[in-house]
Amino acid sequence: GEDVEQSLFLSVREGDSSVINCTYTDSSSTYLYWYKQEPGAGLQLLTYIFSNMDMKQDQRLTVLLNKKDKHLSLRIADTQTGDSAIYFCFGGLSFGAGTTVTVRA
Amino acid sequence: DAGITQSPRHKVTETGTPVTLRCHQTENHRYMYWYRQDPGHGLRLIHYSYGVKDTDKGEVSDGYSVSRSKTEDFLLTLESATSSQTSVYFCAITQWDRGLHGYTFGSGTRLTVV
Repeated sequence: GEDVEQSLFLSVREGDSSVINCTYTDSSSTYLYWYKQEPGAGLQLLTYIFSNMDMKQDQRLTVLLNKKDKHLSLRIADTQTGDSAIYFCFGGLSFGAGTTVTVRA
Repeated sequence: DAGITQSPRHKVTETGTPVTLRCHQTENHRYMYWYRQDPGHGLRLIHYSYGVKDTDKGEVSDGYSVSRSKTEDFLLTLESATSSQTSVYFCAITQWDRGLHGYTFGSGTRLTVV
């Protein structure tokens, strides 16, 4: 099966930018996704990128895709306390283990 | 939320007992999925369905069975629960057939096997 790897934890100061990284092995997916999970809830689709693109911006979110290196990243600008959550990369076949983002004042 | 309801939300059961989790959807979605979420593993696919009576195995299907006798309900059964099946279970739907991206998840069922 596909392997999707993410770092498990990220701590960031409120107002700074957060960058969450993901590497994947299967390059056949047409789209790649980021999901957000808040405590006690299911995952919510945050954003996605078409595999032929290298960047997508959506308000405070920027997705970067390096298809050659099979690397996907999510940048959150001006991180807020409401951004504290677990973020999952989905490579088209599998989810990563999730990155827990903690925003400190 | 695509009208997805999971029941029960929480359950504690004893090892060796059968358990059935229910996923109910109200919007006639064709594709339904059962995932389990465990720390350090993310979400892993157990079984999925692509229509009434049409189901297939996922990555971690051992010890689980599913049934879909009508479009709106997708049932996950643990025939004889084990402690390794203690987890949070999520039902999801996709809407590829309607041109929409990604999964929509239910709120989850927290199952504890003691």
